[in-house]
Amino acid sequence: SAVISQKPSRDICQRGTSLTIQCQVDSQVTMMFWYRQQPGQSLTLIATANQGSEATYESGFVIDKFPISRPNLTFSTLTVSNMSPEDSSIYLCSASGQGESEQYFGPGTRLTVT
Amino acid sequence: AQSVTQLGSHVSVSEGALVLLRCNYSSSVPPYLFWYVQYPNQGLQLLLKYTSAATLVKGINGFEAEFKKSETSFHLTKPSAHMSDAAEYFCAVSDNTGGFKTIFGAGTRLFVKA
Repeated sequence: SAVISQKPSRDICQRGTSLTIQCQVDSQVTMMFWYRQQPGQSLTLIATANQGSEATYESGFVIDKFPISRPNLTFSTLTVSNMSPEDSSIYLCSASGQGESEQYFGPGTRLTVT
Repeated sequence: AQSVTQLGSHVSVSEGALVLLRCNYSSSVPPYLFWYVQYPNQGLQLLLKYTSAATLVKGINGFEAEFKKSETSFHLTKPSAHMSDAAEYFCAVSDNTGGFKTIFGAGTRLFVKA
């Protein structure tokens, strides 16, 4: 299994600004993912963070709004750009190892946009 | 395309009673199936997974789930509920195409009454 940490754990931001969320894994992993979880709802996959190449975005999510970096096998960042109140949500990072079907999740970042 | 349906957004049981959380899936290829638990203000934790070995899967904290292909179901059970089981439970499905991209159900919140 992998232990995942995220920073910050929560933040309150003003509309129009950007926030970068960091995700650190305690071991090398093959796949890293970013999810959004709106209050009381399920998880929606934003993108798959690919090491050394551009992230793969799901329908409805674009790179300009959610740029993602993955410089190595243990770290990724998600930026929420030009924020609006509709971006208020919990953002979760997850990871899985080579050939593993299950994912390990970070504790999440609770974002409030005012 | 894969999908997951969790029947019942809220389930309430008495302490010591049977827990049954229902999940039905749709998948065009043999699926991998999971149950995750989310405690308040935390990320998701894997309870158990089905990966085409035994159809009855035992997980952590006394939970188990049975894969029934004929019913396309993967219901989660626990013989005796404990107060600490109160949480949100997510059923999820993935396959080994496209890097194990995982689709999550809407979630079922379990309440345990003393």
